[in-house]
Amino acid sequence: KQEVTQIPAALSVPEGENLVLNCSFTDSAIYNLQWFRQDPGKGLTSLLLIQSSQREQTSGRLNASLDKSSGRSTLYIAASQPGDSATYLCAIYNFNKFYFGSGTKLNVKP
Amino acid sequence: DVKVTQSSRYLVKRTGEKVFLECVQDMDHENMFWYRQDPGLGLRLIYFSYDVKMKEKGDIPEGYSVSREKKERFSLILESASTNQTSMYLCASGRGTNYNEQFFGPGTRLTVL
Repeated sequence: KQEVTQIPAALSVPEGENLVLNCSFTDSAIYNLQWFRQDPGKGLTSLLLIQSSQREQTSGRLNASLDKSSGRSTLYIAASQPGDSATYLCAIYNFNKFYFGSGTKLNVKP
Repeated sequence: DVKVTQSSRYLVKRTGEKVFLECVQDMDHENMFWYRQDPGLGLRLIYFSYDVKMKEKGDIPEGYSVSREKKERFSLILESASTNQTSMYLCASGRGTNYNEQFFGPGTRLTVL
């Protein structure tokens, strides 16, 4: 069974810092990997989707990479802002199922 | 933009009541999903549907049922609500291909007293 791990569970950084969030998975047979953002008490907002055949995707200050051979994905956030404070989740899709990590709670201090 | 809406943001019900949570998407997606999210347990799949009138059990279907009479609407039903069903309920939709990007609704915070 696919297992998805996100470490650390929480991260606090000063505003302006570049940071990397990690997502690890145990089964490299994936169709795609999706990164989400969740604000407290809200639903999940899709940030980036990486297809199995892709190595990375970029949107604004966000860059997500995928290395299936090592079972890892990273979400890079450049020049972090207080508005980036949220919980970030990754999800793996394969064999008609989604597997979610438990998330990294990010706090960007002004 | 894809829009997934849920019928209520907050809901308070009594034990034993029948509860309906509705989800509507406007992008003609084939796939729709219901999850619940609890602290320390993450997101857990309750039911999903890949087509109209089609449903499949997820990881925790006990105590729930679903209905999909129209492509855009997916309903979650708690036949007899219990306090352990107090949770955040999230609906999602996506295309029925391997490019299966999920889009989530705003969530319904259900409290069962």
